[in-house]
Amino acid sequence: DTAVSQTPKYLVTQMGNDKSIKCEQNLGHDTMYWYKQDSKKFLKIMFSYNNKELIINETVPNRFSPKSPDKAHLNLHINSLELGDSAVYFCASGRTSGGNEQFFGPGTRLTVL
Amino acid sequence: SQQGEEDPQALSIQEGENATMNCSYKTSINNLQWYRQNSGRGLVHLILIRSNEREKHSGRLRVTLDTSKKSSSLLITASRAADTASYFCATAVSYGNNRLAFGKGNQVVVIP
Repeated sequence: DTAVSQTPKYLVTQMGNDKSIKCEQNLGHDTMYWYKQDSKKFLKIMFSYNNKELIINETVPNRFSPKSPDKAHLNLHINSLELGDSAVYFCASGRTSGGNEQFFGPGTRLTVL
Repeated sequence: SQQGEEDPQALSIQEGENATMNCSYKTSINNLQWYRQNSGRGLVHLILIRSNEREKHSGRLRVTLDTSKKSSSLLITASRAADTASYFCATAVSYGNNRLAFGKGNQVVVIP
């Protein structure tokens, strides 16, 4: 299936732990994104990579570190998890050319206890 | 970065009725997009309208854009229970960094 996939779908962990979320797209897009959606459903961009190069880096704590090993993958590593990191994290992809329609993954619900 | 601001925040309608949502933004845009999010799912792109377009249709969806008022509306005609979802507008201000600014979303509930 052509899609944006991310794993895991649910992540429950203790404060202070380090965790990673993986994202893969097989749509041939050159740009990938990480978004955070809070409990009020507000969606905020965190990072964007174009051809493995970081092009958007919003005001995000440096405990969050994205890594793009290739155009099809963008992973998110989070160190020293805090309660406020609890949210749904979405990966998305799109093309630089055109209107920048974005295709979203199913989301990873992170709960920090 | 700018944000779209949808209005109203929640809408409850009977199946078969039309649903209208509005979105306003603050700066010049290249295009405006609408997305749907079903509960527990990712966002799905519905329709894109460019800054030089005033109206666009796709199936039961009709989008209008008024750049002088910096606003857009999404109309869903003949709503179905499956249209129950949150709807977000997003504005693209530059092709350079491919950034989309999302609004807060409208919750639409279609009652069968």
